[in-house]
Amino acid sequence: EPEVTQTPSHQVTQMGQEVILRCVPISNHLYFYWYRQILGQKVEFLVSFYNNEISEKSEIFDDQFSVERPDGSNFTLKIRSTKLEDSAMYFCASSDNRAGYLNTEAFFGQGTRLTVV
Amino acid sequence: TQLLEQSPQFLSIQEGENLTVYCNSSSVFSSLQWYRQEPGEGPVLLVTVVTGGEVKKLKRLTFQFGDARKDSSLHITAAQPGDTGLYLCAGGNYGQNFVFGPGTRLSVLP
Repeated sequence: EPEVTQTPSHQVTQMGQEVILRCVPISNHLYFYWYRQILGQKVEFLVSFYNNEISEKSEIFDDQFSVERPDGSNFTLKIRSTKLEDSAMYFCASSDNRAGYLNTEAFFGQGTRLTVV
Repeated sequence: TQLLEQSPQFLSIQEGENLTVYCNSSSVFSSLQWYRQEPGEGPVLLVTVVTGGEVKKLKRLTFQFGDARKDSSLHITAAQPGDTGLYLCAGGNYGQNFVFGPGTRLSVLP
């Protein structure tokens, strides 16, 4: 069964360092998302991406964050200068159609646990 | 912005009991998804409900979408320890993302 895969599963980084989280969405999906979940808290939307550009972003997704689809399969989230409060699980998701359209479903990866020390 | 609320926030029951958890919004959604999340893992899609009043069954789990498509419920019959986890509802925002409720954390004790 097709699945969303994320690497690495766990990343430890020093405050101020840049990190890149990688995702391979389901191959025939066109809409991609990043979410984060701080330990014990809600799943929060960061950004959605379609047709090689950002569709929507939340207030969390500030200038320190960027996304890219460098080739036909990968979808990356970069945090330029990490802060302690960026520590969270980061989930990538994909869907075959846009959110809110009929019964469109999002499928999630297993997540990357980012720890900023 | 469309928001989803879930209740109860926490639920601890004995194996074999039945339970219902709820997902509510003041907004209409074209569909709602239910996910289950285990610690340290990503949300796993259980079901999508689309039509107002729709009922879907997945083994011992029964999902219902409200007639007005603003709320949904998940009923588990004869809960088992393997049902333990965080149950999340999510809906497609009439924008470009999926919005999640805060979840119900279920603990089924043997």
